[in-house]
Amino acid sequence: AQKITQTQPGMFVQEKEAVTLDCTYDTSDPSYGLFWYKQPSSGEMIFLIYQGSYDQQNATEGRYSLNFQKARKSANLVISASQLGDSAMYFCAMRVDAGNMLTFGGGTRLMVKP
Amino acid sequence: DTGVSQDPRHKITKRGQNVTFRCDPISEHNRLYWYRQTLGQGPEFLTYFQNEAQLEKSRLLSDRFSAERPKGSFSTLEIQRTEQGDSAMYLCASSYGLAAYNEQFFGPGTRLTVL
Repeated sequence: AQKITQTQPGMFVQEKEAVTLDCTYDTSDPSYGLFWYKQPSSGEMIFLIYQGSYDQQNATEGRYSLNFQKARKSANLVISASQLGDSAMYFCAMRVDAGNMLTFGGGTRLMVKP
Repeated sequence: DTGVSQDPRHKITKRGQNVTFRCDPISEHNRLYWYRQTLGQGPEFLTYFQNEAQLEKSRLLSDRFSAERPKGSFSTLEIQRTEQGDSAMYLCASSYGLAAYNEQFFGPGTRLTVL
């Protein structure tokens, strides 16, 4: 079975600063993918970034980057230059190649202060 | 590409009533997923379809829940004899392909309140 742990229920960040959201995972499957989704108050899950277990480079997408440390089983999301619109819930999720569904963590609520 | 749509967006019902939700995936996507999200939690997997075949069901999907995807297009999720514990956001997602990197695109969700 897979498990995702997000230990930060809520975080504040000053506008224009960088912030790191933590995610640790557990799986015995060697091939898997890690995802980060953003969920604003409207409820829709918005895909941000993906990291494959065999990817050599850390994934980056605009202001989002994923700090992937395979030995530590961590996949932290880094948001650079925070904007007020980044205030939302952020979920880390995993899917193994042999499976179908996403397993989500409990989420982190990020609040950006002006 | 209009994205994944869900209908209704909100549903309020009385305990014991039946409800049905609809999900329209992105047109070329062959995989469709249902998740349930309770307040303050991450989404939990309920079931998934590949084309019209329902291939996996979570133990969360009690016998009061049934899902269909006729002709491999839209899907419906029905909850019979609703209970207050069924109150949640029901999310639908779709994807194309089998690999772990295939992103799942989510719809806006249906928020169910059982009184």
